[in-house]
Amino acid sequence: NAGVTQTPKFRVLKTGQSMTLLCAQDMNHEYMYWYRQDPGMGLRLIHYSVGEGTTAKGEVPDGYNVSRLKKQNFLLGLESAAPSQTSVYFCASGTGSTEAFFGQGTRLTVV
Amino acid sequence: ILNVEQSPQSLHVQEGDSTNFTCSFPSSNFYALHWYRWETAKSPEALFVMTLNGDEKKKGRISATLNTKEGYSYLYIKGSQPEDSATYLCASKSGGSYIPTFGRGTSLIVHP
Repeated sequence: NAGVTQTPKFRVLKTGQSMTLLCAQDMNHEYMYWYRQDPGMGLRLIHYSVGEGTTAKGEVPDGYNVSRLKKQNFLLGLESAAPSQTSVYFCASGTGSTEAFFGQGTRLTVV
Repeated sequence: ILNVEQSPQSLHVQEGDSTNFTCSFPSSNFYALHWYRWETAKSPEALFVMTLNGDEKKKGRISATLNTKEGYSYLYIKGSQPEDSATYLCASKSGGSYIPTFGRGTSLIVHP
């Protein structure tokens, strides 16, 4: 049972480069989330989706875009990476009544 | 954005000590409160899902209580062991939103 899978696990980008992080879940969850984790800041919500074809901004959306074209996938894009986006990114999925199930995280460094 | 606060930020205890942490959250339109355990280099994993005022949940030496009217939850660990060392997160679904808002966590280190 794969659960929530994130790719890639690690990535180093140069300032200004773009990339897409992929999150896939096989639990038929309606809700999917992207969080970033920074020292002393806990998990901060970037964007979320409550169903296929829907997305919404979270607490720290600037510099990121997302898409949910298929129910099982939630993509996080960085159009022009900045050093401030160096972080560990977690994808999670769930339903309105359940806890969140997390992927293994993506460590991104922007130099 | 709803404020979920956790205290203390970090805690060092000796093996065998019992300890507890606090999570405070907005009490209006409360839906659920989740506790997660997050070990270093791993992903957060849920410990408890709590929805009713007065709920008490237990898993082994770890238990949690919930007060939705005053907006707080306690997590207790009895007889801490080094393997309990982790960050403990709480997340609230309140204010009509089913999106979990996380606190910053309590980092627990249990010394042998």
